[in-house]
Amino acid sequence: QSVLTQPPSVSGAPRQRVSISCSGSSSNIRNNAVNWYQQLPGKAPKLLIFYDDLLPSGVSDRFSGSKSGTSAFLAISGLQSEDEAEYFCATWDDTLRGVVFGGGTKVTVL
Amino acid sequence: EVQLVGSGGGLVQPGRSLRLSCVGSGFNFDDYAMHWVRQAPGRGLEWVSGIDWNSGAAGSAASLKGRFTISRDNAKKSLFLQMNSLTPEDTALYYCARDKRRTVGGNPFDLWGQGTLVTVSS
Repeated sequence: QSVLTQPPSVSGAPRQRVSISCSGSSSNIRNNAVNWYQQLPGKAPKLLIFYDDLLPSGVSDRFSGSKSGTSAFLAISGLQSEDEAEYFCATWDDTLRGVVFGGGTKVTVL
Repeated sequence: EVQLVGSGGGLVQPGRSLRLSCVGSGFNFDDYAMHWVRQAPGRGLEWVSGIDWNSGAAGSAASLKGRFTISRDNAKKSLFLQMNSLTPEDTALYYCARDKRRTVGGNPFDLWGQGTLVTVSS
């Protein structure tokens, strides 16, 4: 059971917009920045969004991040087949004194 | 090329030990905190341990109950994970990852190795 809760899967048609939630608590998301990772099938994770809403160089601006209270959100606009992957949120937990990950959300393009 | 290359994985019997290594290249290794993250087959990501740039502070997941120890050798641009008293539940792909900053905290992991597979089985 992960400390951060994500939906197991989301799906959408090409060019649609999908959103992935990441639910935590006051000991993690409320007080610390959230980072998002994309893991393509058979590949290592890749940093997608950092410090809640910043994009690393080279990442498409179709991806965006936001946070409200104890939840964070990853949005993918203009969905493309290459976006089919697993997405993980992560942050620091002040009580556990360590990094915690969400269970991951598999995105399927219909 | 900026990269991390992990090694040391393999098949090990329950109760035995294993030491993983990760070598960084193409960047100033001692400018960054480093981490180990694992992924059991078909499962999600789990943070294992992290260490500051100068080994001044390190932390590990409480679930490991002190069985794993992280260390680094900046002169050799290397990160290590000593794993003791291994159980089948430790079977996973172990990734080394670079922190965006010098100290362990809620910072992003901006560079990942390819992973090294550890299988614990009799």
